[in-house]
Amino acid sequence: EVQLLESGGGLVQPGGSLRLSCAASGFTFASYALSWVRQAPGRGPEWVSGITGSGASTYYADSVKGRFTISRDNSKNTLYLQMSSLRAEDTAVYYCAKDIPSPELRFNFDYWGQGTLVTVSS
Amino acid sequence: EIVLTQSPGTLSLSPGEIATLSCRASQSVSSSYLAWYQQKPGQAPRLLIYGASSRATGIPDRFSGSGSGTDFTLTISRLEPEDFAVYYCQQYGSARITFGQGTRLDLK
Repeated sequence: EVQLLESGGGLVQPGGSLRLSCAASGFTFASYALSWVRQAPGRGPEWVSGITGSGASTYYADSVKGRFTISRDNSKNTLYLQMSSLRAEDTAVYYCAKDIPSPELRFNFDYWGQGTLVTVSS
Repeated sequence: EIVLTQSPGTLSLSPGEIATLSCRASQSVSSSYLAWYQQKPGQAPRLLIYGASSRATGIPDRFSGSGSGTDFTLTISRLEPEDFAVYYCQQYGSARITFGQGTRLDLK
């Protein structure tokens, strides 16, 4: 059974930093691209960042480029999101999500974690 | 960035009826990269359709997707009580991923 378990969320002041983790199990971790998708209260999902299975390629939404860094440790089956220079508008539930099985990058997400809440406030 | 506009914003229907949800893109989207999700309160989105028309694993055949170019449709035939939720379309193109704003399917 595929499982994605996020952790690391919490309350942080504007300008602060936070690192999210996503522990994965139930699939061949290194074979799949993964993404972080966030959802602010009452809003639709917003894709934040993605990384290929090998970690060689990373992708970012314009809203977080230069502030967030995605990475993965395939030996630990864990995905990370390092967030810095946080703003109030970064407040959201952050989900990690797995790409569907495909020979090419699809960024369509067949499994999601339960999410971790990040609140940026003074 | 491709903007996805979903309509209607809210759809009020009864069990057993047919729901037709629309997703219109600001520019052409490859059908291979168009997906639909269902989200219920307090839960993560659930993949229903990928590649515009392929059902994800475990999704009942009352859910179907169609369309190409800039116009895509999610159809739910014979609505069941558990189908009342918010639905989002999503696309991937040129390393940019966007979601529509959602259609809320309400129980009439």
